[in-house]
Amino acid sequence: KAGVTQTPRYLIKTRGQQVTLSCSPISGHRSVSWYQQTPGQGLQFLFEYFSETQRNKGNFPGRFSGRQFSNSRSEMNVSTLELGDSALYLCASSIGTPAYEQYFGPGTRLTVT
Amino acid sequence: DQQVKQNSPSLSVQEGRISILNCDYTNSMFDYFLWYKKYPAEGPTFLISISSIKDKNEDGRFTVFLNKSAKHLSLHIVPSQPGDSAVYFCAASAGGTSYGKLTFGQGTILTVHP
Repeated sequence: KAGVTQTPRYLIKTRGQQVTLSCSPISGHRSVSWYQQTPGQGLQFLFEYFSETQRNKGNFPGRFSGRQFSNSRSEMNVSTLELGDSALYLCASSIGTPAYEQYFGPGTRLTVT
Repeated sequence: DQQVKQNSPSLSVQEGRISILNCDYTNSMFDYFLWYKKYPAEGPTFLISISSIKDKNEDGRFTVFLNKSAKHLSLHIVPSQPGDSAVYFCAASAGGTSYGKLTFGQGTILTVHP
């Protein structure tokens, strides 16, 4: 089975712009979770989608949003980028119910200048 | 409020010896625990997990122990190999409607010397 794929792998944006990241889960997985990894805060949960519905949300501002499509692919969007949004954004997929094991993609490295 | 803590930022071990990585948690709602390994510029790789109804789970060279009363878990790697050198994260889930949310520790850098 192919693993979780994320596009693009690297991205450079300017403060104030917006960005959309994409994630394709493992075939058959219905849950997609997003995480932000930074040196200072570690791995932090952003949100999780299951069957096109946001099921869980972390403590991030409303500038961070996401969605899931009927084929389980997911996108996350960050609007009005700030320097502090520079991070590795990781997507993980799981079967969804009730599997806890999540399988991660390689991540998208976002740099905001 | 850090609910999952890995108090050792780094650990150095000789090849062939045992590596023991530790993790503490504070949230008593956590009922499932996982260990991930991460290389630079890659996403975390799932290693092993344990449910709160067990106190030990084994998979090849990897064993995870859970002490619920102490809110402590550990990962044992025996024997350690140079290829095990990576950052190890423990993670926890509260289950219920929080299935898709994992709370991670800060990670421990394991270095296995040949």
